[in-house]
Amino acid sequence: ILNVEQSPQSLHVQEGDSTNFTCSFPSSNFYALHWYRWETAKSPEALFVMTLNGDEKKKGRISATLNTKEGYSYLYIKGSQPEDSATYLCAFSDDYKLSFGAGTTVTVRA
Amino acid sequence: EPEVTQTPSHQVTQMGQEVILRCVPISNHLYFYWYRQILGQKVEFLVSFYNNEISEKSEIFDDQFSVERPDGSNFTLKIRSTKLEDSAMYFCASRMGQGSLFFGSGTQLSVL
Repeated sequence: ILNVEQSPQSLHVQEGDSTNFTCSFPSSNFYALHWYRWETAKSPEALFVMTLNGDEKKKGRISATLNTKEGYSYLYIKGSQPEDSATYLCAFSDDYKLSFGAGTTVTVRA
Repeated sequence: EPEVTQTPSHQVTQMGQEVILRCVPISNHLYFYWYRQILGQKVEFLVSFYNNEISEKSEIFDDQFSVERPDGSNFTLKIRSTKLEDSAMYFCASRMGQGSLFFGSGTQLSVL
């Protein structure tokens, strides 16, 4: 079982504030690191797939970075809005399989 | 926009009964997956399927579980004799290559 850890487990953010959280993963047999957003009563939705050390990806106010040598990725939300409230999952891919972390649940307060 | 569809959305069954969860992946995708999430726990990998055979399976995916792609369209997960601990949300997912997974909306399985 691959150990994919996300921290913190949950966080509360005031609307307009920026925040970030971490995914750590094994640094060996790395193929790709995925980020998904999972809103209540919906299915997980893909945000980013990153494969190269130093990769940075951006989608609107959300961005992510990747460090494969030390085995971590950060997800950043700039100027949080209530619609950003969701659980953010990262997943480590070594070949066919993706192993998910437990997620970071973000609640944005108006 | 193409999507992964799963049926039924909810399934209630008695312990020991067989259940079949159905999924229609996106048509040009090549890799298919089943994941599940027990309430309050992380999303767990069950099985991956490629080129008409299982490419990888987890410890959870024991002899009680099987998958099939009978007609090039549907992708099914069968649990032969359900246990209480099989109660979970089961997600089907597919992808074209090594890119993002596209998830279905899930089947909530309740074993009584």
